[in-house]
Amino acid sequence: DADVTQTPRNRITKTGKRIMLECSQTKGHDRMYWYRQDPGLGLRLIYYSFDVKDINKGEISDGYSVSRQAQAKFSLSLESAIPNQTALYFCATSDATTNYGYTFGSGTRLTVV
Amino acid sequence: GQQLNQSPQSMFIQEGEDVSMNCTSSSIFNTWLWYKQDPGEGPVLLIALYKAGELTSNGRLTAQFGITRKDSFLNISASIPSDVGIYFCAGQGGSNYKLTFGKGTLLTVNP
Repeated sequence: DADVTQTPRNRITKTGKRIMLECSQTKGHDRMYWYRQDPGLGLRLIYYSFDVKDINKGEISDGYSVSRQAQAKFSLSLESAIPNQTALYFCATSDATTNYGYTFGSGTRLTVV
Repeated sequence: GQQLNQSPQSMFIQEGEDVSMNCTSSSIFNTWLWYKQDPGEGPVLLIALYKAGELTSNGRLTAQFGITRKDSFLNISASIPSDVGIYFCAGQGGSNYKLTFGKGTLLTVNP
């Protein structure tokens, strides 16, 4: 099984619908992140959480919300999806006490029509 | 905030050629990391560098942590078709270990 699992892998949804992307990890890491990837724009940070009671906005949090349900689970919600939220979304985790970088999930490809 | 300038944005090369890409920053980083993203997958860590001046190899990949701590490069020797993908640099600075990513280099290898 993957260390960081994202569900669903692909999703097509309609404008205005609420959608949730889920992430779970078996790394035992304290920190979790949500990124969005668009062609030519790299990875942009949406939200991050350093522990269960900690939630922080990233550089592009408007239109998104998150929930850290447990150390191992971090979900991203789009309350009312719009077409320009069509993108590839990645969850990542890291350890609080080391500088070994992040472990990424395989991504969720979201299309808003 | 901190920003990384990664270049080139894309490269088209023939199989067997060597490849070089780099990242520069206006800020100092304590750690430099290089990731590769295969099509349809998440980024995977290739090399991590922890000391200024450090030169590290991983098979055909070689990366260096610049002396000024504001830059890093990645070289790939004798490229093969499976080297295709997006390569990201990332810098880690400060006490919270949060990463700053470059925008990526898209590598295409023609067989």
